[in-house]
Amino acid sequence: SAVISQKPSRDICQRGTSLTIQCQVDSQVTMMFWYRQQPGQSLTLIATANQGSEATYESGFVIDKFPISRPNLTFSTLTVSNMSPEDSSIYLCSVARGNTEAFFGQGTRLTVV
Amino acid sequence: AQSVTQPDIHITVSEGASLELRCNYSYGATPYLFWYVQSPGQGLQLLLKYFSGDTLVQGIKGFEAEFKRSQSSFNLRKPSVHWSDAAEYFCAVGARSSGDKLTFGTGTRLAVRP
Repeated sequence: SAVISQKPSRDICQRGTSLTIQCQVDSQVTMMFWYRQQPGQSLTLIATANQGSEATYESGFVIDKFPISRPNLTFSTLTVSNMSPEDSSIYLCSVARGNTEAFFGQGTRLTVV
Repeated sequence: AQSVTQPDIHITVSEGASLELRCNYSYGATPYLFWYVQSPGQGLQLLLKYFSGDTLVQGIKGFEAEFKRSQSSFNLRKPSVHWSDAAEYFCAVGARSSGDKLTFGTGTRLAVRP
């Protein structure tokens, strides 16, 4: 299994500002994933973060808006930049182990006012 | 590209009644299939998964799911629902060719009547 810690668990931010979300895993993993869950919606993959290379973004998501860092095999950050109310969502970090199971953090509930 | 359809947005059942949540997927080969549960304010918990082999998969909390290739389905079942099962349920598919990223369905919200 994998234990994933996300910080902060929730935040209320002013529009136009940026928030960085941290994801810490209790063991080394090759790939980490960032998902967004908009209110009342399902999860949508934002990007895949590999250690030592640039993140791979899904259609509709760009690096300027959601820059990602992956400095080592147990840690990643996602920044939500220049926030607007439409960015209000739950952001979840996920890791997987050999295609057996995806583990999720508790999520960061972001409200932009 | 893979996709997942959960046709039921909301389902209400009485406590003790049986439950079936529908999930249909689209993928060109044999996918990895998952069911996750999300309780209010909680993260996602894996209920069960299918990779290969026996098409009837047993999971936690008394849940099971059956992979039917001919119908492209992976429906979740429970013979007797408990009030604590009220939550949001997500079906997800993973493609063997794309690593470990998952595509999720839109979810089914389950309510349980006393």
